[in-house]
Amino acid sequence: GAVVSQHPSWVICKSGTSVKIECRSLDFQATTMFWYRQFPKQSLMLMATSNEGSKATYEQGVEKDKFLINHASLTLSTLTVTSAHPEDSSFYICSAIDGGRGETQYFGPGTRLLVL
Amino acid sequence: QQPVQSPQAVILREGEDAVINCSSSKALYSVHWYRQKHGEAPVFLMILLKGGEQKGHDKISASFNEKKQQSSLYLTASQLSYSGTYFCGTVLGSARQLTFGSGTQLTVLP
Repeated sequence: GAVVSQHPSWVICKSGTSVKIECRSLDFQATTMFWYRQFPKQSLMLMATSNEGSKATYEQGVEKDKFLINHASLTLSTLTVTSAHPEDSSFYICSAIDGGRGETQYFGPGTRLLVL
Repeated sequence: QQPVQSPQAVILREGEDAVINCSSSKALYSVHWYRQKHGEAPVFLMILLKGGEQKGHDKISASFNEKKQQSSLYLTASQLSYSGTYFCGTVLGSARQLTFGSGTQLTVLP
């Protein structure tokens, strides 16, 4: 149980285009999901907290107009990287909390974004 | 504030033990431990809640000293499959946001 999926698993796009990444909780309802970014050989950095039905809370230094987050249902959150640039190339990972099972965050498999 | 992990890297022979430490300067609500293999997402190992506790499964266990705001992950009789980067993540309060440490790269050699 507690499976989180992400789609796509990898994406290559041209500079200036927008990319949407989906995060789904497959077997539980997630009132809270989180989006992280990880650069090579670095730790995971929290970008934003996504709550179902409300606006996302962004961490300091993360541009909310560039990284659009929508948590439209209890099983789906999306991250849209708008007008992507090469410096946005990274490993994007989501996680979700199953409220019925405590505080554990279950991570999706990640999406590798390469902006050319 | 990012928790401090130590050591940064450790190399073991199969069957040896290792300890990874995680400390915070702030009062913690919980400590989470994850293992990440290259190119993959982190895999949950265990969570320890305030109140000070010790948990374990198989040959991987962890402790949480609430007074010192420190947690340690213990790997005994290490196996090749234990190789990877171990991260501790700390939660300060009910907001549930995880702040990850810088990671400890563990390599188990045959």
